[in-house]
Amino acid sequence: AQSVTQPDIHITVSEGASLELRCNYSYGATPYLFWYVQSPGQGLQLLLKYFSGDTLVQGIKGFEAEFKRSQSSFNLRKPSVHWSDAAEYFCAVGAPSGYSTLTFGKGTMLLVSP
Amino acid sequence: GAVVSQHPSRVICKSGTSVKIECRSLDFQATTMFWYRQFPKQSLMLMATSNEGSKATYEQGVEKDKFLINHASLTLSTLTVTSAHPEDSSFYICSARDRLRTDTQYFGPGTRLTVL
Repeated sequence: AQSVTQPDIHITVSEGASLELRCNYSYGATPYLFWYVQSPGQGLQLLLKYFSGDTLVQGIKGFEAEFKRSQSSFNLRKPSVHWSDAAEYFCAVGAPSGYSTLTFGKGTMLLVSP
Repeated sequence: GAVVSQHPSRVICKSGTSVKIECRSLDFQATTMFWYRQFPKQSLMLMATSNEGSKATYEQGVEKDKFLINHASLTLSTLTVTSAHPEDSSFYICSARDRLRTDTQYFGPGTRLTVL
């Protein structure tokens, strides 16, 4: 069975500092990988996704993520965090067929300090 | 593009009544839509997968007679919580998969259900 681990429940970053949110997955092959962001009381917005090819993927709002097969990781990064980035971030995996359901991690809450 | 709407955004109802939540894909056709439930400060739990024109597939532990799902068109799926009780209070989120691009789910803004 596939699973997703986001080891950090909360992370606090100073505005302007760099950010890295960790995501590890368990899957028999290389899955489709996603990062979503959720603001309070809102739905999920897709930040970026990885299916194949270049292991460094660029997303919206200045985010990027790197797929590392050897570590079964798909960490999300941003070089300079803005106060508006404060939100909950979810990593998700799906089977590479594209027709499967998604399995979500438990999420990481990002707090941005002034 | 790839916008999904949900209506209503918030609903408060009395125990024992039924509530219908609509999920619409606004600028694409969705053969498959998903319904999730999210408890406070927790992740999303998939409730069911609905395919246009066929019966929904429910996840283990989800009562199909309580959570009725209808996916009558390529742009609309509805979730009806029947005989709602306070324990059904939650944040319900739908997502839709583009018929032409099946690799990504696009999420609606969610519906906050409060059952008194």
